[in-house]
Amino acid sequence: GDSVTQMEGPVTLSEEAFLTINCTYTATGYPSLFWYVQYPGEGLQLLLKATKADDKGSNKGFEATYRKETTSFHLEKGSVQVSDSAVYFCALTRGTDKLIFGTGTRLQVFP
Amino acid sequence: GAVVSQHPSWVICKSGTSVKIECRSLDFQATTMFWYRQFPKQSLMLMATSNEGSKATYEQGVEKDKFLINHASLTLSTLTVTSAHPEDSSFYICSASPTSGVSGGYFGPGTRLTVL
Repeated sequence: GDSVTQMEGPVTLSEEAFLTINCTYTATGYPSLFWYVQYPGEGLQLLLKATKADDKGSNKGFEATYRKETTSFHLEKGSVQVSDSAVYFCALTRGTDKLIFGTGTRLQVFP
Repeated sequence: GAVVSQHPSWVICKSGTSVKIECRSLDFQATTMFWYRQFPKQSLMLMATSNEGSKATYEQGVEKDKFLINHASLTLSTLTVTSAHPEDSSFYICSASPTSGVSGGYFGPGTRLTVL
């Protein structure tokens, strides 16, 4: 069945460091891919998405490119801030809103 | 952006009692709502999909008689955990999709259930 695999955390970085959180997926057909962020004490928020191969989703300085050849959707940010500390979830859906999530990666950014 | 609320945000109950959790879309109509369960340090697992005015569709392994879902209107879905036990303690999250269709939907803040 469909699945999403994320790198285990926590990822600990200093402010202004470069961030990469790896995400790979297994799915038949052409899924849509998402990154969600969950700040402490809050619900999930959609961070960015891509719906077809080679699409790049971007928001708030974060980017991820839909790579079908490597079945990946890695999240990147050039310069993280303390306020980016949160749990990041990679997810996919195939034609419906039924989301399949990865296990989440906790990011901790220190000043 | 669209807002989804959940109530209560935190509930503690005794084993054997039932608990109802509400999920509301505050500024849009949601044809479909989803209920997820999140264990500590784990991912969200879809429990069921509810469509307004019809019976919920449960994922494999989810007991429909234990987790009762009602989607009475386009802005409200409820999850009732019946005869709760300590192993039901978890974080329950709903999401709602507007009738216009938005991939991924909008998530509520979650409800933490602790069963003593």
